[in-house]
Amino acid sequence: DAEITQSPRHKITETGRQVTLACHQTWNHNNMFWYRQDLGHGLRLIHYSYGVHDTNKGEVSDGYSVSRSNTEDLPLTLESAASSQTSVYFCASSESWLAGVYNEQFFGPGTRLTVL
Amino acid sequence: GENVEQHPSTLSVQEGDSAVIKCTYSDSASNYFPWYKQELGKRPQLIIDIRSNVGEKKDQRIAVTLNKTAKHFSLHITETQPEDSAVYFCAASSLNTGNQFYFGTGTSLTVIP
Repeated sequence: DAEITQSPRHKITETGRQVTLACHQTWNHNNMFWYRQDLGHGLRLIHYSYGVHDTNKGEVSDGYSVSRSNTEDLPLTLESAASSQTSVYFCASSESWLAGVYNEQFFGPGTRLTVL
Repeated sequence: GENVEQHPSTLSVQEGDSAVIKCTYSDSASNYFPWYKQELGKRPQLIIDIRSNVGEKKDQRIAVTLNKTAKHFSLHITETQPEDSAVYFCAASSLNTGNQFYFGTGTSLTVIP
């Protein structure tokens, strides 16, 4: 069955280290998204991509980067991890939208990241 | 950009009662409003959505209403059951922002048996 996966599921790292969170989907969706979830803030968009080699900044992009070299993967990199980046990270994907028809975003299982 | 506000942040109801969660949005161009349910430790999952050309949509015990003039939309759950206990998120999206979703801050619903 098609699915969306994230790895690792849990990660503990130290301040200043570079961290990469993986997201992989097998639906062949063009759209992929990264969110962070924090108590009291809901889900906030970090970066998103509408296709290979396309990346865009979201609401809370500072300190994060993404690259899209194929349809299936959108890795999220924290260049120099900070304690403020301790959070639960969700990846999501959706089909391309055409003529104003929106499509459901499917979420991965999440990665819990702790920065000490 | 869009700003979505969601109320209440917590809600407790007795089993069998109804629950209502309300959201407001700021961008008049927003025209798609999904609702996601997130059980403890799980991923968010879509439970219902509504588009701006529709005022109300129902799916069994859940319904969503939309008032475009007032820029608010609501989730209604009737005959609540313990398995309805979860965090619920509303979101808004518009053609101006592609398929970006702007989420509310969530409502933690507890259904007391």
